Amino acid sequence: DIQMTQSPSSLSASVGDRVTITCRASRSISSYLNWFQQKPGKAPELLIYAAASLQSGVPSRFSGSGSGTDFTLTISSLQPEDLATYYCQQTYSTLTWTFGQGTKVEIK
Amino acid sequence: QVQLQESGPGLVKPSQTLSLTCTVSGGSFSSASYYWSWIRQPAGKGLEWIGRIYISGSTNYNPSFKSRVTISVDTSKNQFSLKLSSVTAADTAVYYCARGTFSGIYYTDYWGQGTLVTVSS
Repeated sequence: DIQMTQSPSSLSASVGDRVTITCRASRSISSYLNWFQQKPGKAPELLIYAAASLQSGVPSRFSGSGSGTDFTLTISSLQPEDLATYYCQQTYSTLTWTFGQGTKVEIK
Repeated sequence: QVQLQESGPGLVKPSQTLSLTCTVSGGSFSSASYYWSWIRQPAGKGLEWIGRIYISGSTNYNPSFKSRVTISVDTSKNQFSLKLSSVTAADTAVYYCARGTFSGIYYTDYWGQGTLVTVSS
């Protein structure tokens, strides 16, 4: 199985800060990487697909980059409504898709 | 707008079979561009992918569930279902159904609201 490791596990930042979350795959997954946002008590929502493509309706302050094994989700200017846990997921494997363990973003 | 809704018992006894159904409205359920997934989340923990089914009936499952899991589809009702046998307390979780799209890459673009299933006697 391909393992996905996110860092940090949690972070606290102020409104307006630039926030970066990283996701590392245990082997190359090309650009088969998606990012999800899960707000408290809600279902996850797709933010980024194919490592860098912004899902329709998602604010432009969210961006993704990377390929191979190392990926980044960036929030350019953190907003109060960005309080959530963020997950990466690989869909490279033809059989099993795996999520990272999640990164909890808190607002200072 | 695509909507997914999970339904099924909220309480299942240990060793029994958990059965959930996802009803899909809006969109084109039978399109070959989509696949239909189940994902679960134990309280306070991360997301765990269970498996997926294509409209053709082809399935892929997380090996962690070994032979306990079955996903099926009923195109006449715009529904797909999950069966998880021999459940234990470790299977207590919120279960989500979701739609995925393939356009060069697979990604899950619509989720149900989730349903809590508790395994307890």
